[in-house]
Amino acid sequence: GQNIDQPTEMTATEGAIVQINCTYQTSGFNGLFWYQQHAGEAPTFLSYNVLDGLEEKGRFSSFLSRSKGYSYLLLKELQMKDSASYLCAAMDSNYQLIWGAGTKLIIKP
Amino acid sequence: ETGVTQTPRHLVMGMTNKKSLKCEQHLGHNAMYWYKQSAKKPLELMFVYSLEERVENNSVPSRFSPECPNSSHLFLHLHTLQPEDSALYLCASSQEPASGANVLTFGAGSRLTVL
Repeated sequence: GQNIDQPTEMTATEGAIVQINCTYQTSGFNGLFWYQQHAGEAPTFLSYNVLDGLEEKGRFSSFLSRSKGYSYLLLKELQMKDSASYLCAAMDSNYQLIWGAGTKLIIKP
Repeated sequence: ETGVTQTPRHLVMGMTNKKSLKCEQHLGHNAMYWYKQSAKKPLELMFVYSLEERVENNSVPSRFSPECPNSSHLFLHLHTLQPEDSALYLCASSQEPASGANVLTFGAGSRLTVL
């Protein structure tokens, strides 16, 4: 079956770096998405990876290894506003999104 | 108004009530979606519309009935719901329903409580 695994919850300190991992198993693969969702708000798009490697966007970077079925989201210089849930989703060969349950990130001062 | 707007933001209903959720997108997108979000569970895709035609229905119970009168509006009609239907219902839109790099723009959701 198709499946996404990501940690349920993580805690990090303001100003530090945190890495949120995501492993996926899908029938075919058309890319890996990360979304951010603050409590009570809409999920918002962060990144899309379809080729192996690291994509950097300011404080946020996303990595993909297709051979390992693995991705991570790296957040640097953490700020209190980064406290949110981070959703990983892989797109299968039919362009269907397979979602993880999300990782709740708690930032402490 | 910009983006994707959902109303109402909160809804409490009894199991015998009939209500509707509304979604409107101002992005000129061709595809619209309904998702169900329950605590600590992955997003569940319920319905997909492309250019006002339903292209996917993921075996959703008939007590949920979608309607897409035009490419900017999407409704979810609710009747005879069960307490386990209590969840956050998210509407989303995208340029095309089936393509790589298909970025979804979500609304803030309608929080539904069924008593």
